[in-house]
Amino acid sequence: IVLTQSPGTLSLSPGERATLSCRASRRVNSNNLAWYQQKPGQAPRLLIYDASSRATGIPDRFSGSGSATDFTLTISRLEPEDFAVYYCQQYGSSPRTFGQGTNVEIK
Amino acid sequence: EVQLVESGGVVVQPGGSLRLSCAASGFTFKDYTIHWVRQAPGKGLEWVSLISWDGTSPYHADSVKGRFTISRDNGKNSLHLQMNSLKTEDTAFYYCVKDQGAYGVYSPFDAWGQGTLVTVSS
Repeated sequence: IVLTQSPGTLSLSPGERATLSCRASRRVNSNNLAWYQQKPGQAPRLLIYDASSRATGIPDRFSGSGSATDFTLTISRLEPEDFAVYYCQQYGSSPRTFGQGTNVEIK
Repeated sequence: EVQLVESGGVVVQPGGSLRLSCAASGFTFKDYTIHWVRQAPGKGLEWVSLISWDGTSPYHADSVKGRFTISRDNGKNSLHLQMNSLKTEDTAFYYCVKDQGAYGVYSPFDAWGQGTLVTVSS
C-alpha cells in the first residue's frame, strides 16, 4: 500500500490549527493507520493508532480521523513543541509502509 | 521503562558486511514482534525487516531481501540484523522498533531506539 501525505510542508503560526492528510492507494485493513511525530535528531514517537486512538501521554490537541483510504491528523492549536515532521503508517498488511512525511514549520 | 539500544553502525565499503544489534529491556521481549526501520539522512522512514515474537517468521522488504537477515535471541533479549552485499543506498540510521501489541497482532510501533548510523561509502 502506497501512502501519500499532503501537503509536503505546512507553514503555520503557534495557536493555529493544522490539518494533515494521508491517502492510501487501497483500503487500509481495519483502519490500521498510525501517525508519528519526529523532531530533529530524535526517533519518531507514536501519536495516533487505529486511525483515531491517542497513544499514551499524547495531548488531546492531537486527533486522528478517517477510514478506508483517507485519513487526517489534526492539531487543534499548535504549541511551539509541535513543529516537527509527521508521518502516517499503515500496519494492516505487509509490508508495513510509511508516507513520505509532512513538515509542519513555523510561519 | 522500555529501552531499545542499537549498536554496530560504522562506515563500510560497498559490497561489505555488517551486523547490527539491539539490546532490549523494560518489557517481556519474547512476547513481541520487533522490527528494523531505517531513515536515510534527511529522508523519510522505510520499514526494513521484522521477526515474530517466537523467531519463526522473519520478513524483509524487497529492497533488502536476499542481502539482510534478521534474527533474535529471546534468552538474551537481543535482536540482530546481518547486512551483506551493502550498497550506497543502504546508508541510513537504523532503528530497532517494538510492536505495541504482543504475539504478532498487527499493531503500530510504540517504542523506538535512538538509532545507529550505517554509512556505505568507498
